[in-house]
Amino acid sequence: DTEVTQTPKHLVMGMTNKKSLKCEQHMGHRAMYWYKQKAKKPPELMFVYSYEKLSINESVPSRFSPECPNSSLLNLHLHALQPEDSALYLCASSQGAGSYEQYFGPGTRLTVT
Amino acid sequence: AQKITQTQPGMFVQEKEAVTLDCTYDTSDPSYGLFWYKQPSSGEMIFLIYQGSYDQQNATEGRYSLNFQKARKSANLVISASQLGDSAMYFCAMRELDYGGSQGNLIFGKGTKLSVKP
Repeated sequence: DTEVTQTPKHLVMGMTNKKSLKCEQHMGHRAMYWYKQKAKKPPELMFVYSYEKLSINESVPSRFSPECPNSSLLNLHLHALQPEDSALYLCASSQGAGSYEQYFGPGTRLTVT
Repeated sequence: AQKITQTQPGMFVQEKEAVTLDCTYDTSDPSYGLFWYKQPSSGEMIFLIYQGSYDQQNATEGRYSLNFQKARKSANLVISASQLGDSAMYFCAMRELDYGGSQGNLIFGKGTKLSVKP
């Protein structure tokens, strides 16, 4: 099973809302990632969790707050977003250090109004 | 400097024909991995094929093969017998290992949009 699931599939939120994106994998992977992808652009790395600890934060604004409650789950908490934050948010996982393939979820299409 | 270059923003191919998507990369690290991902309009990034920098043979996965030319720093994707379902955006990506052995970030090219014509 190489499945990474993400919920919700679509999300529309106002600039004052608080919402969360969820990601789950049951492949026993120990590294999980959040990417942001604008239309017609490649994905941009936001955060990396390795063994449930935040290992990389690519200078992402604090209105994005990641959380890794356990090795299978990854959340992205959203607060006071801007319209330019509208994008496809992709979650991915990989076996961990030394492993190469990242498996991606279907993404959440976020629209900030 | 751009680490992954995909020079073809868009490509067309006739159904059942083969197509090559170009990718060149730039790294001074001797240890790295090269990947191709497919992204249909639905948005999911689908892992297609992987080539390690020390692999002697070109990687193959079904209809996908990677033409790895290390000296030229190119890693072109060849899709044989194109199907209508192959229409998608294709991203080439690279991951470097630093000398400490830890994993680097996955760096993507800008992508090539492939359209398969019936």
